[in-house]
Amino acid sequence: AQKITQTQPGMFVQEKEAVTLDCTYDTSDQSYGLFWYKQPSSGEMIFLIYQGSYDEQNATEGRYSLNFQKARKSANLVISASQLGDSAMYFCAMRGTSGSARQLTFGSGTQLTVLP
Amino acid sequence: KAGVTQTPRYLIKTRGQQVTLSCSPISGHRSVSWYQQTPGQGLQFLFEYFSETQRNKGNFPGRFSGRQFSNSRSEMNVSTLELGDSALYLCASSPEGRGGLDTQYFGPGTRLTVL
Repeated sequence: AQKITQTQPGMFVQEKEAVTLDCTYDTSDQSYGLFWYKQPSSGEMIFLIYQGSYDEQNATEGRYSLNFQKARKSANLVISASQLGDSAMYFCAMRGTSGSARQLTFGSGTQLTVLP
Repeated sequence: KAGVTQTPRYLIKTRGQQVTLSCSPISGHRSVSWYQQTPGQGLQFLFEYFSETQRNKGNFPGRFSGRQFSNSRSEMNVSTLELGDSALYLCASSPEGRGGLDTQYFGPGTRLTVL
């Protein structure tokens, strides 16, 4: 079974500063994908960034980077130069390659608030 | 490309009724998955359809069902609605070309309220 743990229910960051959202995972699969999604108050789940378990380099997408530490089973999201529009709920998720592991398993989320 | 679309966006039903939600995936995507999101349970997987076949199913009662059509559009149905079915229902599509690790792209969701 797969499990995602996000231990920060809420985070505050000052505009233009960087922030790290924590995510740890547990799986017995060798091949898996890790994802971060952003959910504004409107409800839509917006894909931010992906990291494959065999990727040696940390993923980056614009202001988003994923700090992947496989041995520690962590996949933290780093947002640089925070903007007011970054205020939202952030979910870490994972997928495996077979059977029930193919579904996305989500963490409980972190509510990020960017302060002006 | 157009994103994932879901209709309707909002629904209000009463207990005992049934409801059908619709999802149109991104063009070329063959897999459609459904998730239920509630404040208490978070995001929970309902089912996945691929090439008109249910490939994976979450731990929900049989009142929850779905199907996928030949054009990859999908519907989910909830019969005999209960108050606890009030939730945001999210549909996601993926191309499934990367051995199960494809990114799932979500629609805006259908917010169902059961009175």
